[in-house]
Amino acid sequence: QVQLQQWGAGLLKPSETLSLTCAVYGGSFSGYYWSWIRQPPGKGLEWVGEINHGGSTNYSPSLKSRLTISLDASMSHFSLNLSSVTAADTAVYYCARRRLFTYYFDYWGQGALVTVSS
Amino acid sequence: QSALTQPASVSGSPGQSITISCTGNSSDVESFSLVSWYQQYPGKAPKLLIYEGTKRPSGVSNRFSVSKSANAASLTISGLQAEDEADYYCCSYARSRPLWLFGGGTKLTVL
Repeated sequence: QVQLQQWGAGLLKPSETLSLTCAVYGGSFSGYYWSWIRQPPGKGLEWVGEINHGGSTNYSPSLKSRLTISLDASMSHFSLNLSSVTAADTAVYYCARRRLFTYYFDYWGQGALVTVSS
Repeated sequence: QSALTQPASVSGSPGQSITISCTGNSSDVESFSLVSWYQQYPGKAPKLLIYEGTKRPSGVSNRFSVSKSANAASLTISGLQAEDEADYYCCSYARSRPLWLFGGGTKLTVL
């Protein structure tokens, strides 16, 4: 059974860098895109960005200047770094999996609440 | 690009059917097969409900179905059950940045 388990700092001050990691258990790391999707409290889902097993990335234009998604295939995990955070970046961040050449997210992590507050 | 548009809330009684629409620009929902739907319970991660337009993952009830008209995709839940009370999101591959658009979400209340 595939499991995505994520972790990272939950409380940040404005201007700090958000860092989250998602580990993949029980399935192959190659052949997929690995995404980050966030959800502000009480609001809807917003796609943040994705990376494939080869390291090719796609980012949301609204976050691109502050965003880095990377992966460690040998350890079957991928990471999100979002710099210069503000209160608007407060959200539950989910990692999710998408098989290459498909258009849906079939497995999701449990979510990690990141709060930005001074 | 703006998010896809969904009604903020819908409600129905047990046994009834409800429909949740998902509308966008002509290119946002242009290909039905690129639309997926997710079910989310409070405090939980979204769960894939429908993919490639009409397909259901193993374990998802056939009470969930999808139809398409013009620039809209619609999720129908028939034979409503109390366990269906959740938030529902549509999602479409947008072909341009951002690559993925989500609807604003619909809160389903089972009366």
